[in-house]
Amino acid sequence: QQQVKQSPQSLIVQKGGISIINCAYENTAFDYFPWYQQFPGKGPALLIAIRPDVSEKKEGRFTISFNKSAKQFSLHIMDSQPGDSATYFCAGYNDYKLSFGAGTTVTVRA
Amino acid sequence: NAGVTQTPKFQVLKTGQSMTLQCAQDMNHNSMYWYRQDPGMGLRLIYYSASEGTTDKGEVPNGYNVSRLNKREFSLRLESAAPSQTSVYFCASSEQPHSNQPQHFGDGTRLSIL
Repeated sequence: QQQVKQSPQSLIVQKGGISIINCAYENTAFDYFPWYQQFPGKGPALLIAIRPDVSEKKEGRFTISFNKSAKQFSLHIMDSQPGDSATYFCAGYNDYKLSFGAGTTVTVRA
Repeated sequence: NAGVTQTPKFQVLKTGQSMTLQCAQDMNHNSMYWYRQDPGMGLRLIYYSASEGTTDKGEVPNGYNVSRLNKREFSLRLESAAPSQTSVYFCASSEQPHSNQPQHFGDGTRLSIL
């Protein structure tokens, strides 16, 4: 039973467009919500993260929006570039363990 | 700086065979982790070692054993491989087992069990 539900499974966006990935969680003990980016044949790498007492965090073209009452958070990729084409995973952290969503494959068309 | 190194990169086994996946990190991290990645399932934690000398079960430990050989190395063993263990296995490490410490991943071992 996945503790973090992620959608959509895949999305295609034009260069310069906005990619939006949504996640929902049930475990209210999660105290840290990272996003990982994975390129084919490579391991995931931390992209950006947020704590539940913050509603938004922005790093460059990547923004996390967090809604604690709804137990939802999302990743926005602004001005999407072909180099952003990858699989993105949201996760929740509690008790030494990360619980990952199923992943979203983003394809940016030039 | 190599980061997290996993060996082998690819392996094919027959049902019932045993195998050890190796992982080493050169970042002087205290915590290490083993995950498996399956299509549509994301990454699931198999075992972790919060510090040298300790190991604990994760979400899907059945059929696996681990050894924290020293601070650098954390191995994953399949005693009697089953087709359900066909997956991509990732090792990761972090400085401490706390939420604000990012986990650094290796590039994975692709394991097929026939």
